[in-house]
Amino acid sequence: DAGITQSPRHKVTETGTPVTLRCHQTENHRYMYWYRQDPGHGLRLIHYSYGVKDTDKGEVSDGYSVSRSKTEDFLLTLESATSSQTSVYFCAISERADTEAFFGQGTRLTVV
Amino acid sequence: SQQGEEDPQALSIQEGENATMNCSYKTSINNLQWYRQNSGRGLVHLILIRSNEREKHSGRLRVTLDTSKKSSSLLITASRAADTASYFCATDAYGNTGKLIFGQGTTLQVKP
Repeated sequence: DAGITQSPRHKVTETGTPVTLRCHQTENHRYMYWYRQDPGHGLRLIHYSYGVKDTDKGEVSDGYSVSRSKTEDFLLTLESATSSQTSVYFCAISERADTEAFFGQGTRLTVV
Repeated sequence: SQQGEEDPQALSIQEGENATMNCSYKTSINNLQWYRQNSGRGLVHLILIRSNEREKHSGRLRVTLDTSKKSSSLLITASRAADTASYFCATDAYGNTGKLIFGQGTTLQVKP
C-alpha cells in the first residue's frame, strides 16, 4: 500500500456526537480525498483537498467538514453524527489531478 | 449522481476463463480508471486510460475506451481465484480536478 494511514480503523459512536477521522500520508502528494462507501451507492466523494488549506466539496458533503493544515494530514469531521453517516470511509491521495489515486484501508464508522 | 454504470453487477466464472466487465458514463472525460477491491480492503488502482487512448494493457488486463459511445471495458484473461474481487470504473467527470465518480462495481467470483 502507498503510505496512507487512516485512524481509527473502527469506531462506534452515538448519534449527535462529533467525530473526527484522520488520514495521514507519507507520499507528499498534493491531492487528498475523502470518500464514503455504502451498499448500492459505490464510492461517493465527500470532500477533497488540492493543497494545504485548499479544500472543496464533493457530491455528499452535507454534515461533514474537513481541514488540511499540513500536506500530510487530512481530517474529516462529522459535526453531529447521524445514523445515515454509518458507512465505510476511505481516504485517497494522488500526486496530480490526472493521475491514479491510492486508497487507505478504510474506517468503518457505526453511529448508534 | 452515478456517472459510471457497470455491467454486469455480478459475474461468476471458472479459473482459466476470461472475464469482461463494462462501464458506461454520461459526460465527457479526461481519463477513466479501473480499480479492484478485495473484500474488506481498500481500492487498488489497476489501469488509467486517457481520453485520447483506445486500448491499454497491463499484464493479464486489457482496457478499451470508446469515447464516442462513452463506454469502457475491462478484460481479465486467464482468470485466477485470486482475481475474485469487486471491480470499479471511475471517471474524472468534474474536469481536471482529481475528483472521481465511481460506478457501483462488478463483483467477480472466480471458482477454482
